Amino acid sequence: DAGVIQSPRHEVTEMGQEVTLRCKPISGHDYLFWYRQTMMRGLELLIYFNNNVPIDDSGMPEDRFSAKMPNASFSTLKIQPSEPRDSAVYFCASSFTAQGNTEAFFGQGTRLTVV
Amino acid sequence: AQTVTQSQPEMSVQEAETVTLSCTYDTSENNYYLFWYKQPPSRQMILVIRQEAYKQQNATENRFSVNFQKAAKSFSLKISDSQLGDTAMYFCAFMNLKKSSGDKLTFGTGTRLAVRP
Repeated sequence: DAGVIQSPRHEVTEMGQEVTLRCKPISGHDYLFWYRQTMMRGLELLIYFNNNVPIDDSGMPEDRFSAKMPNASFSTLKIQPSEPRDSAVYFCASSFTAQGNTEAFFGQGTRLTVV
Repeated sequence: AQTVTQSQPEMSVQEAETVTLSCTYDTSENNYYLFWYKQPPSRQMILVIRQEAYKQQNATENRFSVNFQKAAKSFSLKISDSQLGDTAMYFCAFMNLKKSSGDKLTFGTGTRLAVRP
């Protein structure tokens, strides 16, 4: 397996534009997470899914943020409209919960810059 | 809610020497995992080592070992024989094993480690 795949790796967009980040989890994993990393706040959990169902979105900062997981192999994180303070690295991670085998695998992240 | 504290923003160590990174956490749960993740300049988050709270024996992975003190809620990482490739940000992370918590991780703020040649 190629691991968790995120696209794009880098995104530069103008304030007010819509941004969509994509993630393909590891096949067979039943949990998918979206994290955001900034210098000020470190790594924060935005939302996570279990079997494609959103379980906890309490970390989503505003209504401008939305996430979907239409199937087990794909998820998106959308920001509309984007603002400069959304600039960060966004990580997707997936895991498979089995007895004694809990480990989250991370993608390489998307560095988002909103100008 | 759980919190994870890493009190050392930056550390430096001479190549081949040993360094210890500190981590403390706060939780009322009894069943959980603790992790150390490494983030090199490539940005990739790499799992270094994992400790199950129910295990008294400290986890070890080659040059990496932990000192897990459950009563003190302390989870330090020791890197022996430091190598230049160990230069990275290191994050301590907590995972509550309660079913309702999923597998989400709570991270510390990180320690930037520089290995000097």
